[in-house]
Amino acid sequence: NAGVTQTPKFQVLKTGQSMTLQCAQDMNHEYMSWYRQDPGMGLRLIHYSVGAGITDQGEVPNGYNVSRSTTEDFPLRLLSAAPSQTSVYFCASSYDGQGIMRPLHFGNGTRLTVT
Amino acid sequence: AQSVTQLGSHVSVSEGALVLLRCNYSSSVPPYLFWYVQYPNQGLQLLLKYTSAATLVKGINGFEAEFKKSETSFHLTKPSAHMSDAAEYFCAVSYGGATNKLIFGTGTLLAVQP
Repeated sequence: NAGVTQTPKFQVLKTGQSMTLQCAQDMNHEYMSWYRQDPGMGLRLIHYSVGAGITDQGEVPNGYNVSRSTTEDFPLRLLSAAPSQTSVYFCASSYDGQGIMRPLHFGNGTRLTVT
Repeated sequence: AQSVTQLGSHVSVSEGALVLLRCNYSSSVPPYLFWYVQYPNQGLQLLLKYTSAATLVKGINGFEAEFKKSETSFHLTKPSAHMSDAAEYFCAVSYGGATNKLIFGTGTLLAVQP
């Protein structure tokens, strides 16, 4: 049972490049989400999904796209990287709460630098 | 807007001393409350959660937190700090519903001195 797996662990991009951060979970969790972590700002929600085929925006969605074609995978796409997107990105998943709050399970993060 | 405030971005204690990390939330409706811990170069791990049952919640590694509605607080404590407790701690709040959204505080970095 691997939990939540994020790849790559590290990535350096040039301004304007695009890339996809991968996230996969093997716990059959309906809910998946992406956060970015910046010093002094905690974690901010980018996008989330409550099931395959369903996605929605979080607090800071601009510049990012997501899709959820399977229960297991929730990739995050950077369309045209900017230095402001330099951050640590975390994927997290949980059972669908159905109104009851379930704890999130986090991956180990992807450290992205945009030059 | 719903939010959570952690007082003190850095806290330093001596090994064996009391650990107190503060968290206040802003809402008239009691939320679900969580404490997560992050060790260097790792993701966040759940320490404990409050979901409207007992107001004193016990978590892993000897940590506990008390929900105080009158003070809108959910402070994290541990009677005796250990070197292995050095990490960053995040308070988070959610108001339920199917979206499972968590709003995180800005974090408190705990240093434990020998």
